[in-house]
This record gives sequence, C-alpha cells and structure tokens, in this order.
Amino acid sequence: DTEVTQTPKHLVMGMTNKKSLKCEQHMGHRAMYWYKQKAKKPPELMFVYSYEKLSINESVPSRFSPECPNSSLLNLHLHALQPEDSALYLCASSQGVRTSDTQYFGPGTRLTVL
Amino acid sequence: AQKVTQAQTEISVVEKEDVTLDCVYETRDTTYYLFWYKQPPSGELVFLIRRNSFDEQNEISGRYSWNFQKSTSSFNFTITASQVVDSAVYFCALSEGTNAGNNRKLIWGLGTSLAVNP
Repeated sequence: DTEVTQTPKHLVMGMTNKKSLKCEQHMGHRAMYWYKQKAKKPPELMFVYSYEKLSINESVPSRFSPECPNSSLLNLHLHALQPEDSALYLCASSQGVRTSDTQYFGPGTRLTVL
Repeated sequence: AQKVTQAQTEISVVEKEDVTLDCVYETRDTTYYLFWYKQPPSGELVFLIRRNSFDEQNEISGRYSWNFQKSTSSFNFTITASQVVDSAVYFCALSEGTNAGNNRKLIWGLGTSLAVNP
C-alpha cells in the first residue's frame, strides 16, 4: 500500500484567512515532505520532516507553518497568504531521507488565494 | 553541479505509436539514483521507476521500458503502443549523495507533457 492522502482536495481562501492542509500516510515512513507546484513546473521542495523533526526548510515565508504531530501526520498551516501562493500543494513520504529512498506523493491540494 | 534536462517540452502522438521521453542528467557523484514520475491531469505524482547508478540493466514493465546509459548520462523512457491514458506530464529526477545522514533533495527536470490522441 503506497497511499498518501491529503485533505482538502481544493481550497479557496482569502488573504486574511487561516486554514490548514493535512497529509497522512500509513506506510510506516519516517520522512514526510511538503512541495509547492505551479502550473507547468516541477515541484518545489518546501519542508522536510525526518523522524518528526524539521530537517529542511527551503527558506519558505513564515506565512507557511508546518507541523508534524506524529510520524503519520503532516500539516501545513496557512495564514495571510498572497495570491501568488495559489498552487498545487503536494505531500510526500519516504522510508527515510537516504539517497535511495523513493518519495510517494499524495493527490495534492489545489489552493486558490483570492 | 547536478542538473536534469528533459529537452522535450511537449510531445503529441497518435494512439498506438511508440514514444520515447528523453532525460539527461549531470552529477559529480558516483552513487546516485534516477526516478521517473507521471503526473496526470488530476495532479497526483505517480512513481514509475527508480534506478541506481550501479545498475545499467534496462527495465521493462508492461508497455513501459527504460534505457539507462551512464556513458551518455541518459535515462530515457519509452512507451510502446501508447494509449490515451498515458497522457500526462512525465518528470525525471535525480537523487545524489551518500547515505551518511544526508538530507538529500530530488533534482527535477522540467517535465515532458505527453498528449496521446485517439
């Protein structure tokens, strides 16, 4: 079972709203990732959690706040976003953060910021 | 510097044609892994294959096949007898570095958009 689930599928929010994206995996993976993907571009890495600790933050603005409550769950809290933050947000997980570890992706959340 | 080049931005074929998607990579490491992912219009990135730098055997999975050639730093992907369901963006990616606690990142190509027309 290589399933990563994400909710919601679609989200429309205003610039003053606070919302959260959720990601869950039940593969026993110890690394989880958030990516942002704009249309016709490859995914851009935002955050990496390894064993529930934040190990990579790719200089993401503070209006994006990740949280890893346990090894199966990953949240992305959104606050005071800008229209340019509209994108597909993808969650992924892998067994670890080794070179050989394959990342498995969820279906994504399509975010629109008005 | 590490880099992945997918020179074909868009490809359009008619169903049942064979199509090859090119991927050329640059790396200074001797240990690395190459990946192909498929992204249909629904948005989910689907893992297709992982290949390590020490295994140059070609791989076949149904209508899909991959040709890894270290001499030309290429890892090309061929779909035989293409079908409309193969329409998607295909990404090639490179992962390099040692296993010693390395928080490695995937280096992505820009993707090739494949349209298979009936």
